[in-house]
Amino acid sequence: AQKVTQAQTEISVVEKEDVTLDCVYETRDTTYYLFWYKQPPSGELVFLIRRNSFDEQNEISGRYSWNFQKSTSSFNFTITASQVVDSAVYFCAGGGNAGNMLTFGGGTRLMVKP
Amino acid sequence: GAGVSQSPSNKVTEKGKDVELRCDPISGHTALYWYRQSLGQGLEFLIYFQGNSAPDKSGLPSDRFSAERTGGSVSTLTIQRTQQEDSAVYLCASSSAGGQYNEQFFGPGTRLTVL
Repeated sequence: AQKVTQAQTEISVVEKEDVTLDCVYETRDTTYYLFWYKQPPSGELVFLIRRNSFDEQNEISGRYSWNFQKSTSSFNFTITASQVVDSAVYFCAGGGNAGNMLTFGGGTRLMVKP
Repeated sequence: GAGVSQSPSNKVTEKGKDVELRCDPISGHTALYWYRQSLGQGLEFLIYFQGNSAPDKSGLPSDRFSAERTGGSVSTLTIQRTQQEDSAVYLCASSSAGGQYNEQFFGPGTRLTVL
């Protein structure tokens, strides 16, 4: 069985602070895929990034960056210089060889205060 | 282009009634997924359709839940004899190909309330 853990249920920061959202993925699959989704107050899940288990390169997209460490099965997400519009619930999710569905973590609610 | 659409956006029903939730995937997407988001259980996979293959129903919580996909496009999730614990947001997603490696694009969801 796959398991995705987001230990931080809620984080509150002040605008312009950097913030890191943690994600740990447990699986017996040798090949697996990890995702981050954003769920703003409007409710629609927005895809942010996909990473496969063979690619441990960090990725940066604007103020967003992702750090994948296979040795610790962690796939952390950092927002630099946070903005109020970043306020949302962020979900980490994983998929493996055994099936086609995503297993989601419990989500981290990020509140960015002005 | 148009994204995934779902209808209705909100549904209030009485315990014991049947409900049907509709999903229109992105045009050309062969894979379609249903998930449920509830306070107690988080985001859970329900069922997956890929082309003309038999659906993966491994996430359906009981035999009161069923889904079909007609013509490889529109899907309907049916809940029979609804219970209060069925109250949740039901999310539909589609992707351009089956498999966990393709990003899934989500619809806005249907909020179901069972009184």
